[in-house]
Amino acid sequence: NAGVTQTPKFRVLKTGQSMTLLCAQDMNHEYMYWYRQDPGMGLRLIHYSVGEGTTAKGEVPDGYNVSRLKKQNFLLGLESAAPSQTSVYFCASSYSWGTLSNQPQHFGDGTRLSIL
Amino acid sequence: DAKTTQPPSMDCAEGRAANLPCNHSTISGNEYVYWYRQIHSQGPQYIIHGLKNNETNEMASLIITEDRKSSTLILPHATLRDTAVYYCIVGISYGQNFVFGPGTRLSVLP
Repeated sequence: NAGVTQTPKFRVLKTGQSMTLLCAQDMNHEYMYWYRQDPGMGLRLIHYSVGEGTTAKGEVPDGYNVSRLKKQNFLLGLESAAPSQTSVYFCASSYSWGTLSNQPQHFGDGTRLSIL
Repeated sequence: DAKTTQPPSMDCAEGRAANLPCNHSTISGNEYVYWYRQIHSQGPQYIIHGLKNNETNEMASLIITEDRKSSTLILPHATLRDTAVYYCIVGISYGQNFVFGPGTRLSVLP
């Protein structure tokens, strides 16, 4: 049981390049999330998904797109990378709401992305 | 914005209990209190959560005041490996109200 797995772990891009970050979870969780963390700061929510085929904007969605084609995968895309997107990106997942709405989010180990 | 207030840093002697406070005076009736920690630049690690009763697990204890406006995370016997940033979060775990503030940087000293 791997939990939440993020790939790649590190990446360096040039301004204007595009890339996709992959998050995979094997816990059959309905909810998945993408956060970014800048130095010395807490995590900020970029986008999230409440189920396969659905996505929603978080606190800082501009410059990012996401897709949830399969329940276990949540992709984060940067179409035209900018230096301001240099950050550590974390993916998380949690069980569905309702009677289990208190279940905590589980996090991956992050992707460190540098935009030159 | 985070709905919690935590001290920016704390020290604790190795082997002693670490008591990390959190104020959440605007907590709603259906919102839980969650605690996570982040060691170096690893992903946040879930520690414990609760609604109104005190909770204990193998990692820590969570004490929530009767009015639910504050809580304390207790690490009963802190070790050097407990040095981390600890986040107190109030909300429900799904959706966009799960907000991480700056947290408390706990340093466990030998």
